Amino acid sequence: AQSVTQLGSHVSVSEGALVLLRCNYSSSVPPYLFWYVQYPNQGLQLLLKYTSAATLVKGINGFEAEFKKSETSFHLTKPSAHMSDAAEYFCAVPSTSGGSYIPTFGRGTSLIVHP
Amino acid sequence: GAVVSQHPSRVICKSGTSVKIECRSLDFQATTMFWYRQFPKQSLMLMATSNEGSKATYEQGVEKDKFLINHASLTLSTLTVTSAHPEDSSFYICSARVQGAGANVLTFGAGSRLTVL
Repeated sequence: AQSVTQLGSHVSVSEGALVLLRCNYSSSVPPYLFWYVQYPNQGLQLLLKYTSAATLVKGINGFEAEFKKSETSFHLTKPSAHMSDAAEYFCAVPSTSGGSYIPTFGRGTSLIVHP
Repeated sequence: GAVVSQHPSRVICKSGTSVKIECRSLDFQATTMFWYRQFPKQSLMLMATSNEGSKATYEQGVEKDKFLINHASLTLSTLTVTSAHPEDSSFYICSARVQGAGANVLTFGAGSRLTVL
């Protein structure tokens, strides 16, 4: 079954600095990859999705992710961090369940933004 | 856009009582909804797939009699935690797949935090 690994449970950056959150997928090339964001005590919101149409995917709030097959990676980046970006970020890959795809989530990375 | 509403957002109950959590799709029909459980500082664990008009499909290790799921209409799925105990305290999140959203994207509710005393 497909899975994703998120390196680093916490990432701390200064406001205005580059944000890099790492995600690596296992085994074969997945048909889709997702990044979700979760603000405190809230559900998950889709940031962006990879569908093999393009390796560089742009999402909401200035985030983007690049699919690199050679590195089995789908890292999330943002050029300049904002205080409001502080949240939990989850990488996800679809797993088949009952004939349909269900997201399987990584362990999450907590983004901390310092003033 | 598509909205999934969960109620209550927070609930505190005594050990041994049952708690019902509702998940509604507000402006679309959802034949399938998914229930996740999230422990503090951890990822989401899929508990079960709720299917409108039929029995839910539970993931391995999830107790069917403990976590009762009912999906009686195309816009409502409920999760009932029966005879709750402190170890059932968690953040429960439901989600639904929106037709036309593409690429198997799920829309999530805001979650329900259950605390069992």
